[in-house]
Amino acid sequence: DTGVSQDPRHKITKRGQNVTFRCDPISEHNRLYWYRQTLGQGPEFLTYFQNEAQLEKSRLLSDRFSAERPKGSFSTLEIQRTEQGDSAMYLCASSLAEVSRLSYEQYFGPGTRLTVT
Amino acid sequence: AQSVAQPEDQVNVAEGNPLTVKCTYSVSGNPYLFWYVQYPNRGLQFLLKYITGDNLVKGSYGFEAEFNKSQTSFHLKKPSALVSDSALYFCAVRGYSSASKIIFGSGTRLSIRP
Repeated sequence: DTGVSQDPRHKITKRGQNVTFRCDPISEHNRLYWYRQTLGQGPEFLTYFQNEAQLEKSRLLSDRFSAERPKGSFSTLEIQRTEQGDSAMYLCASSLAEVSRLSYEQYFGPGTRLTVT
Repeated sequence: AQSVAQPEDQVNVAEGNPLTVKCTYSVSGNPYLFWYVQYPNRGLQFLLKYITGDNLVKGSYGFEAEFNKSQTSFHLKKPSALVSDSALYFCAVRGYSSASKIIFGSGTRLSIRP
């Protein structure tokens, strides 16, 4: 399977614990994105990387959230001191960087569903 | 600021009938527009995009969408619905001058009855 993969698919944690999610993008894609999706809503942008550089962060990304892409391949999203409001589906997507005025669509992974109890 | 509106939470269509899922957008400059579909317990799947060129865009699974600049709309259509088309559909927009961030609508649940 050469699509975007995410691990774990489900995570249940207690409030106050730290969690880390992993995303493996499509191998030739140099852009990687993180989104959060809550029930009944569309995905909300959190952050994106081009290669290993984190180029944009949403104001939704509080200081308890940190994302890395150390070698420009896989990425991790860590949430420290989880809160019940962090319960959501965390989606990863990847794409090629844009060439001239073309815009490449983003391909999404299956998501990691986080439940904070 | 960029925004997307999907005015219908749910659309119900009989199998074999044409379907339309509505989307309007607001963005500075020329928009990049997308439709994605989400099946239960699965990630979003790309259906089609409008970047430039013909206003009628064809995509996966027989879907198409019509870009209307004057009405700032990008409605998703299919001539003959299948029960397997039942899913959650998201319209999304990205402004040309913005970074890679895509703004998604709140989604429309499409239900096709046999």
